[in-house]
Amino acid sequence: GAVVSQHPSWVICKSGTSVKIECRSLDFQATTMFWYRQFPKQSLMLMATSNEGSKATYEQGVEKDKFLINHASLTLSTLTVTSAHPEDSSFYICSAREGQGGGQPQHFGDGTRLSIL
Amino acid sequence: DAKTTQPNSMESNEEEPVHLPCNHSTISGTDYIHWYRQLPSQGPEYVIHGLTSNVNNRMASLAIAEDRKSSTLILHRATLRDAAVYYCILRTIRGNTPLVFGKGTRLSVIA
Repeated sequence: GAVVSQHPSWVICKSGTSVKIECRSLDFQATTMFWYRQFPKQSLMLMATSNEGSKATYEQGVEKDKFLINHASLTLSTLTVTSAHPEDSSFYICSAREGQGGGQPQHFGDGTRLSIL
Repeated sequence: DAKTTQPNSMESNEEEPVHLPCNHSTISGTDYIHWYRQLPSQGPEYVIHGLTSNVNNRMASLAIAEDRKSSTLILHRATLRDAAVYYCILRTIRGNTPLVFGKGTRLSVIA
C-alpha cells in the first residue's frame, strides 16, 4: 500500500535553532501534502496544506514565517521550524493523498518528535 | 466538513468484537465517512471508509445507518495491538480538503 516516509523521527536541539523535517511519498505522487501538529494528550491539529510548485496554505493562527513549507516535487515536502523555541516542541506529522476527492484515503508519516531545550 | 461525535473512551476484552460508534447527524449526501486510528507515538493509520453501503476490509467492517446519520466501526476480534485512538471523520466527495481530526475514541483492550 501507499507509504509516507517522514524524517527524522525525533530531534532534540537548542533554542534558536532551525529544524527541517522531510516528508516523502514513496510509491505515489502527491500534488498535495498536509502538515499537522499534535501536543500531548490532544488530537491532531492541521497546520498547513502544501501544494507542489506553489505556496502553502496555512491555517489560521499558524505563522507562515515561523513554519516554512516547501513542496519542490511530487514526492517531497519539507517543513522548516525557524528559530525554534521550547513552545514549538511537539509531534509533527505529515500526510499525503493519492489523487483527489473524498473517497481517497489519506496516508500519514510516523511523525517527528521535536524537543527544543 | 460536518461534525462527528464519538465517545471519549471504550474498553474491550481481548479476542472479543468491538463496536465503535460515531454520530454525524449533519452529514451531507456528498460526505464520505472515514475511520483512522492512531497507535501511541505513531502517525494515524487509515482503517476504512464508505459512502452509503457497509464496507469490509482486512482490518475492520464499517456499518452505515440507513439514514447515514451514524456509523459503527467493527473490529471483529480485538487484540492488544488494536489499542489506539480511533477517529471518525467526514470528508466531502469534492475537492482536495484535508482531514480534520476531532478527539476520537480511546480504545483500551484488556488481556
